[in-house]
Amino acid sequence: GDSVTQMEGPVTLSEEAFLTINCTYTATGYPSLFWYVQYPGEGLQLLLKATKADDKGSNKGFEATYRKETTSFHLEKGSVQVSDSAVYFCALSDPGGSYIPTFGRGTSLIVHP
Amino acid sequence: DTGVSQDPRHKITKRGQNVTFRCDPISEHNRLYWYRQTLGQGPEFLTYFQNEAQLEKSRLLSDRFSAERPKGSFSTLEIQRTEQGDSAMYLCASSPTSMNTEAFFGQGTRLTVV
Repeated sequence: GDSVTQMEGPVTLSEEAFLTINCTYTATGYPSLFWYVQYPGEGLQLLLKATKADDKGSNKGFEATYRKETTSFHLEKGSVQVSDSAVYFCALSDPGGSYIPTFGRGTSLIVHP
Repeated sequence: DTGVSQDPRHKITKRGQNVTFRCDPISEHNRLYWYRQTLGQGPEFLTYFQNEAQLEKSRLLSDRFSAERPKGSFSTLEIQRTEQGDSAMYLCASSPTSMNTEAFFGQGTRLTVV
């Protein structure tokens, strides 16, 4: 079945540091890939997505590139802010899995001033 | 549209009691999902509806759990004879039928079984 593996957290950074959160997946079909973010006390919301190989999703300074050859979708940001502190979830939607979104366990990011 | 809404936001119940949660999806969305999330974990799929039809249920969903979406609009999730292990955040999400779109989540219902 489908699965998503994320690096364990928490990831603790100083403001303006570079961020990478690794995500790899397994899927029976050709999935779409997503990053969701959950701020404290709020629901999950979409951060960015990519629907085919080599697509780059981007939003709010975050980027991730769909790498089919390595089955990866790593999240990056060049300069994090305190307001980026949240939990980040990698997810996929696979035609082989009825397009039901499948999530990783989440990676907590803590950014210090 | 104000997005996906869930009610109640919090529920504390005694072991053995029944509880029911409600989800109102975004009005034009055909798909509705229920997930469960525990501390430090990602959302785990429970079940989903395409309009009023319940098309798939996870093996996680025991016989004590039942979900309905009677008119293809709002949905309810009922847990009978609650157990302490049912304590979790229950998330509802909806999406359009088109296949490359994201799911839109509500804020969840936090269930505590004492």
